[in-house]
Amino acid sequence: EAGVAQSPRYKIIEKRQSVAFWCNPISGHATLYWYQQILGQGPKLLIQFQNNGVVDDSQLPKDRFSAERLKGVDSTLKIQPAKLEDSAVYLCASSPLHSKWGTEAFFGQGTRLTVV
Amino acid sequence: ILNVEQSPQSLHVQEGDSTNFTCSFPSSNFYALHWYRWETAKSPEALFVMTLNGDEKKKGRISATLNTKEGYSYLYIKGSQPEDSATYLCARRDNYGQNFVFGPGTRLSVLP
Repeated sequence: EAGVAQSPRYKIIEKRQSVAFWCNPISGHATLYWYQQILGQGPKLLIQFQNNGVVDDSQLPKDRFSAERLKGVDSTLKIQPAKLEDSAVYLCASSPLHSKWGTEAFFGQGTRLTVV
Repeated sequence: ILNVEQSPQSLHVQEGDSTNFTCSFPSSNFYALHWYRWETAKSPEALFVMTLNGDEKKKGRISATLNTKEGYSYLYIKGSQPEDSATYLCARRDNYGQNFVFGPGTRLSVLP
């Protein structure tokens, strides 16, 4: 089966500019995650969707970050305006609905964002 | 947010050496522990999912153990090869949700 698709792979923008990332999860996966991975740290959850509803966005900086998952399939993550500290790899992942035995998440290759 | 820790942060080993890493996590409300391998410019790849205390999983030269009572998991690599070079991430899931809380990873470099 096709994996999680993300685009673009790389993006360089100036601070205060806007940027958007796109994710197409594995077909049929109800849960979609956006993670931010800053160099030297583990991935940190930004937002979690189940179908088109938000399950957890407690760590999303809502003054500048927004995300949507229209129709419960593709998702976009937007940063407006970007700051230098937003430089990171943005990972999208998807998984089937919660199962008792620890369903794994499947990750895309990520988008590496550099803010200069 | 409950912290997941990993050690060491990085290590370099010679080809053929065996090595192991540690993942420690809060044991309360534990649901599952995941190990991922993340090679540069690729997607993180799932290695193991473990849920029960005492679980042991093996895939080729890589194996993992789980102790949910004391809150740790070990990942072992036997006879390291250069292609094992990657960052190894562990992630904990709790009973309340589906979120994965990741550790900072262990970056392994296997020198030929």
